[in-house]
Amino acid sequence: QQQVKQSPQSLIVQKGGISIINCAYENTAFDYFPWYQQFPGKGPALLIAIRPDVSEKKEGRFTISFNKSAKQFSLHIMDSQPGDSATYFCAASKSGGSARQLTFGSGTQLTVLP
Amino acid sequence: NAGVTQTPKFQVLKTGQSMTLQCAQDMNHEYMSWYRQDPGMGLRLIHYSVGAGITDQGEVPNGYNVSRSTTEDFPLRLLSAAPSQTSVYFCASRGRRERNEQFFGPGTRLTVL
Repeated sequence: QQQVKQSPQSLIVQKGGISIINCAYENTAFDYFPWYQQFPGKGPALLIAIRPDVSEKKEGRFTISFNKSAKQFSLHIMDSQPGDSATYFCAASKSGGSARQLTFGSGTQLTVLP
Repeated sequence: NAGVTQTPKFQVLKTGQSMTLQCAQDMNHEYMSWYRQDPGMGLRLIHYSVGAGITDQGEVPNGYNVSRSTTEDFPLRLLSAAPSQTSVYFCASRGRRERNEQFFGPGTRLTVL
């Protein structure tokens, strides 16, 4: 059972355009929603994260939009740059216990054309 | 700080062979995890540890063993490698002060023939 569904699988955007990646989750106990960025040959690294008590979080060109009632959240990359070309993973976790492990989406390979 | 380190970077095994993937962190993090990454499937949790001497299973634990004798090290053992274990393996760690952020190592690419 895939608890976090991510789309699209791949995305090609022109330089300066807006990249949008969507995720949907099933478990209403999730209360932390991060996005990770992964460059080829590297491990994922935290990009931005949101909690469900806010509907939007912005850090520079990166924005998370969160819709609690629809159980969906999305990553928007404004003014996309070739250096943003990477694989992006959404994830979710829930509190309780001590581990707070992440459940990941399947990933989106973003290519920004110069 | 070196962060999270993993060795080896690449490994080729034959079916039935055993090996240990090494993971170490120098951030004094309590929590450590092993994930495998397969195309189109994201990262799936294999095993995790909340402290030295304490480990638990994740989503896909079969065929893997772990132990945590020190805070720094969290090795992953493949007892009898199978082609289905061909994957990229990532180790991650998290500390209490970092709240939810997990720090990932550079990965080990494993091929089982």
